[in-house]
Amino acid sequence: SQTIHQWPATLVQPVGSPLSLECTVEGTSNPNLYWYRQAAGRGLQLLFYSVGIGQISSEVPQNLSASRPQDRQFILSSKKLLLSDSGFYLCAWSVPPGVLSSSGANVLTFGAGSRLTVL
Amino acid sequence: AQTVTQSQPEMSVQEAETVTLSCTYDTSESDYYLFWYKQPPSRQMILVIRQEAYKQQNATENRFSVNFQKAAKSFSLKISDSQLGDAAMYFCAYRSAGSNTGKLIFGQGTTLQVKP
Repeated sequence: SQTIHQWPATLVQPVGSPLSLECTVEGTSNPNLYWYRQAAGRGLQLLFYSVGIGQISSEVPQNLSASRPQDRQFILSSKKLLLSDSGFYLCAWSVPPGVLSSSGANVLTFGAGSRLTVL
Repeated sequence: AQTVTQSQPEMSVQEAETVTLSCTYDTSESDYYLFWYKQPPSRQMILVIRQEAYKQQNATENRFSVNFQKAAKSFSLKISDSQLGDAAMYFCAYRSAGSNTGKLIFGQGTTLQVKP
């Protein structure tokens, strides 16, 4: 079965410090990967998605970047955090569209999330 | 661009009663998928139910069912026999069938309170 791991679960960082959130998926290959951010009490905003190694698409201009160094690894980074970067970050994966899967076609499966507080 | 709107920021229901959460969406596409996700206090996003736009039959998963009105672009979630564990934030989401990215567009969410 497929599983998704995301860490760290909680992070408190000072303004101007770097950031690295990591996400890995097990039990599947060539997944589509996503980073979403959820501000307090709000909906989910797609930040980045990746359809393959080294292929990153950004949805919104921001202080963050993403990388996919391996097939099942997705990293969210920042060189210098801003106060506005605080939030709840969720990694997710899906089977690429058109591929049959026991996990269910067209479904996003989420990690447990990382709560980032920038002070 | 597609948008998803949940007009009810908060809802409440008595335990064992039925509640309906509303969702509307805007799209020019004819083929797409719709989802309801649940986010309990743990903040883990859990898939509740999904609907393929080409299917006229409304999806059902145990106590959860949807009312999919394609012409009206409406996708409401009905929770029957509400339980305390149903208390959570619920998100409606849209995915284009023609996209190779598989990304979901989410509504702003509805917080459901279940009263004992």
